[in-house]
Amino acid sequence: AQTVTQSQPEMSVQEAETVTLSCTYDTSESDYYLFWYKQPPSRQMILVIRQEAYKQQNATENRFSVNFQKAAKSFSLKISDSQLGDAAMYFCAYRGSSVTSGTYKYIFGTGTRLKVLA
Amino acid sequence: AAGVIQSPRHLIKEKRETATLKCYPIPRHDTVYWYQQGPGQDPQFLISFYEKMQSDKGSIPDRFSAQQFSDYHSELNMSSLELGDSALYFCASSLVMTYEQYFGPGTRLTVT
Repeated sequence: AQTVTQSQPEMSVQEAETVTLSCTYDTSESDYYLFWYKQPPSRQMILVIRQEAYKQQNATENRFSVNFQKAAKSFSLKISDSQLGDAAMYFCAYRGSSVTSGTYKYIFGTGTRLKVLA
Repeated sequence: AAGVIQSPRHLIKEKRETATLKCYPIPRHDTVYWYQQGPGQDPQFLISFYEKMQSDKGSIPDRFSAQQFSDYHSELNMSSLELGDSALYFCASSLVMTYEQYFGPGTRLTVT
């Protein structure tokens, strides 16, 4: 069974600095998708970034980028130029390919709470 | 752009009562997911539907049932409510081929 592990329950970053949130996963599948979701105090779940396992190039969305290491099964999120509005819970999520696994389920990590210090 | 709509946003029920949560996915999305999130916890997958058929089942109690209707909206029915059912219930939708899952604002259920 697939698992997602976020080993950092909480992280802090100074405003305008860069922070990296860690995520590792375990799977026997070769085709899958990885995501980072942000959950601010409003508790709305917001998709931040996605990465397809078959793509070697790391995904980037403005100040957010990932370091995807397929062999190591690692998927970290880097937030550059941190802003106060980035303060939230960040969840890493895995989704296998429905074609090969027949499942549509997303598996979430336990989350990392990011604090941004002014 | 249209988002996932959930109703009601807040619901207060007593123990042993029944609750029905509704979800309206993003137009043209073919997959709906239900999650339960307790305080300080990650979202726990309950159940999903692809093209109105149940596609995956997670940790959904037998007291809960769900279905997806012909217009693609989905309902989560919860019976014999317990105090432990108090949580935020999210609905999410996606196009199965794009894999991006979008969440609704959630329904906060309080069981007293």
